[in-house]
Amino acid sequence: AQSVTQPDIHITVSEGASLELRCNYSYGATPYLFWYVQSPGQGLQLLLKYFSGDTLVQGIKGFEAEFKRSQSSFNLRKPSVHWSDAAEYFCAVGAEAAGNKLTFGGGTRVLVKP
Amino acid sequence: EPEVTQTPSHQVTQMGQEVILRCVPISNHLYFYWYRQILGQKVEFLVSFYNNEISEKSEIFDDQFSVERPDGSNFTLKIRSTKLEDSAMYFCASRATGTANTEAFFGQGTRLTVV
Repeated sequence: AQSVTQPDIHITVSEGASLELRCNYSYGATPYLFWYVQSPGQGLQLLLKYFSGDTLVQGIKGFEAEFKRSQSSFNLRKPSVHWSDAAEYFCAVGAEAAGNKLTFGGGTRVLVKP
Repeated sequence: EPEVTQTPSHQVTQMGQEVILRCVPISNHLYFYWYRQILGQKVEFLVSFYNNEISEKSEIFDDQFSVERPDGSNFTLKIRSTKLEDSAMYFCASRATGTANTEAFFGQGTRLTVV
């Protein structure tokens, strides 16, 4: 069975500072990995995805993530955070063998200090 | 840009009543999903639907839930007799067919409040 762990429930970061959100997954085969962002009261917006190939993937809004198979991780990073990045971030894993359903982590809420 | 549309955005219903949540997936997508997110909790898979039948369902998706694609464009989730614990945000998602490694596109969600 697939599982995703996001160890940090809350992270507070100053505007302009760098941000890293951790994600660890468990799956027997090569997974497909995703990061979604959810602003308050809003839906889920895809930030970036990893299917295969280059392990460093670029997404929207200046985000990037790196797939590290040896660590079963897919951490999300942004070099300089903007106040509009305050939201909840979800890591998710999917796989064809699992019908492409997504298994989500518990989410990390990011607060941005001015 | 194509998007998944869900209606209504917010629904309040009395316990025991039936509700139907509606979704219009992206045109030409053939895989459809419902997920739910209880307030403060993670997003959970409910059911996947392909070729006019359920392809997988979670243990949450018990007999009070059903899904339907009634007219080739809408994709509905029906909760037959709502309970307080059904209060949640319900997300519809769709995915294109062809290649397996395609992402799911999510709607904005329907917030269901059972009172």
